[in-house]
Amino acid sequence: EAEVAQSPRYKITEKSQAVAFWCDPISGHATLYWYRQILGQGPELLVQFQDESVVDDSQLPKDRFSAERLKGVDSTLKIQPAELGDSAMYLCASSYRGGATEAFFGQGTRLTVV
Amino acid sequence: AQKITQTQPGMFVQEKEAVTLDCTYDTSDPSYGLFWYKQPSSGEMIFLIYQGSYDQQNATEGRYSLNFQKARKSANLVISASQLGDSAMYFCAMRAMSGNTPLVFGKGTRLSVIA
Repeated sequence: EAEVAQSPRYKITEKSQAVAFWCDPISGHATLYWYRQILGQGPELLVQFQDESVVDDSQLPKDRFSAERLKGVDSTLKIQPAELGDSAMYLCASSYRGGATEAFFGQGTRLTVV
Repeated sequence: AQKITQTQPGMFVQEKEAVTLDCTYDTSDPSYGLFWYKQPSSGEMIFLIYQGSYDQQNATEGRYSLNFQKARKSANLVISASQLGDSAMYFCAMRAMSGNTPLVFGKGTRLSVIA
């Protein structure tokens, strides 16, 4: 069964260091999302791609976060420099299209900044 | 903009009993979809059930059913015959049908099934 792949599963980094997460969506899914989930809360959108274009990055802290999906397939989310408050689960999701179709999620990357 | 409210931080249910998880929403979009996801302790979000705002009948998927009351703007999840494996976080989410908008999630409800 097709699934969204994410790596790494877990990451511990020191504050002020750079960190990167990778996501490979389900084949054929044009829409890719990065969500951040703080412990005990629901996921919040960081950035949405349609193919290689950014559709919504209004909640992405652009001074330290960047995201790219160069060929419209896999995507990388980067944080530089990491801060203690960035400790969270980073979830990648993809969908065939919007509207009635559900988004499929990867297993997430659990980031701890020390 | 859409908003999802889940007012139950935690719920307990006896094994084999039914449980209802509450979800209310707010939107100005005339056409929208409502989704429920399960998140076990391992972290992945598992899609459970979908309801469209113009669907005449409540959605059902196995032991999951969605009690959709459009006038009240509620979309409660009903789990029948609870199992120990149902213990997890449950999130209600929605998005507009028009355009390509992302899912907006509530804060979730932690369900614990007791043997």
